[in-house]
Amino acid sequence: SQQGEEDPQALSIQEGENATMNCSYKTSINNLQWYRQNSGRGLVHLILIRSNEREKHSGRLRVTLDTSKKSSSLLITASRAADTASYFCATDAGGGSNYKLTFGKGTLLTVNP
Amino acid sequence: DTGVSQDPRHKITKRGQNVTFRCDPISEHNRLYWYRQTLGQGPEFLTYFQNEAQLEKSRLLSDRFSAERPKGSFSTLEIQRTEQGDSAMYLCASSLDTGGAVRYFGPGTRLTVT
Repeated sequence: SQQGEEDPQALSIQEGENATMNCSYKTSINNLQWYRQNSGRGLVHLILIRSNEREKHSGRLRVTLDTSKKSSSLLITASRAADTASYFCATDAGGGSNYKLTFGKGTLLTVNP
Repeated sequence: DTGVSQDPRHKITKRGQNVTFRCDPISEHNRLYWYRQTLGQGPEFLTYFQNEAQLEKSRLLSDRFSAERPKGSFSTLEIQRTEQGDSAMYLCASSLDTGGAVRYFGPGTRLTVT
């Protein structure tokens, strides 16, 4: 079953604009991770935020986490055509389920040059 | 390149045939995972190994599916008597032996059952 739900399902922007994707989840988590998938390829890890963190930055990426609302957002600033990909949030419930990363359906981001 | 590798990258088979996929994880990673991804969906967990032990299997993994990881190194995923519903991308990932670890994914094997 999919734990996370990304919103929007698809997003189209112009190069240089910012892109924001949201993720909601249902159960308590140990951490939340964002991954990128280029068309037809494997997933690449972008950033991990732990349940006791509220915000994290990595390069042009900014992730926020609100555990009270069970939601996270991924902001990509100054987007580039190469950022075109599907973006997935994935939750790690920790504890006895720390082997299982549960993915959402993803947001398809298209950055137009 | 020391990333996760998968073989083959593409497989087309007829319904009823058996197929086997291979995954070679990052060498120092004790944990290995199999996921299945269908079009427009996120990856769904199938099973995971810690070293050579298969510790968890999803209900998605019917008895036609079997996975092994002999000697805690590479892993194989076999599907017997394939069905059209098995058509999907099969992704392998590996990680360090810690909870909450980042998963490193291979490029996937795309299976098409005709």
